[in-house]
Amino acid sequence: NAGVMQNPRHLVRRRGQEARLRCSPMKGHSHVYWYRQLPEEGLKFMVYLQKENIIDESGMPKERFSAEFPKEGPSILRIQQVVRGDSAAYFCASSPLGDTGELFFGEGSRLTVL
Amino acid sequence: KQEVTQIPAALSVPEGENLVLNCSFTDSAIYNLQWFRQDPGKGLTSLLLIQSSQREQTSGRLNASLDKSSGRSTLYIAASQPGDSATYLCAAGGYGQNFVFGPGTRLSVLP
Repeated sequence: NAGVMQNPRHLVRRRGQEARLRCSPMKGHSHVYWYRQLPEEGLKFMVYLQKENIIDESGMPKERFSAEFPKEGPSILRIQQVVRGDSAAYFCASSPLGDTGELFFGEGSRLTVL
Repeated sequence: KQEVTQIPAALSVPEGENLVLNCSFTDSAIYNLQWFRQDPGKGLTSLLLIQSSQREQTSGRLNASLDKSSGRSTLYIAASQPGDSATYLCAAGGYGQNFVFGPGTRLSVLP
């Protein structure tokens, strides 16, 4: 059973470009969480999704950021018109449908904005 | 709003020592409490999950306890080794809600 897969592992963008980060949850998991980690800082919650639904997006910046988890395919975190402050590690975690709620993390996608 | 803190922020110990890492949370209405380790430049590895109905969990040299009424969890590491050097994070979760992370404790175990 493969773990949570994130790609790309490293992404470089120039200011104003778009960044798309993908997350494939563990097999059988229908809950996906996105977190951001700035250098030397803790993990900050961004968004919680289930298949085709956004459950909690209270941590998402109001502009330029969006997330989806379609019926088929990976979850995608999209950042439009990136700025240098978006440089960070973006982590995806998945959890099984059920009541254990245990989180399993991917290796992260590291975004660098030039 | 749930807030999670961890003490100490950093810890340096000689190899072989037993140590305790602390995690506090403000809202006791949690469903579970999960401990992770993170190595530099890597993702998070799950260490232990304690559900709200449990008091503790053990895995090898690690033991985690949970006291919901006081809003605290501790991670006990026995006979520490240099390979234990990492940042340890705790996260408080409610079913169907997002998990709130503490800032972490950076552990260095010196050979």
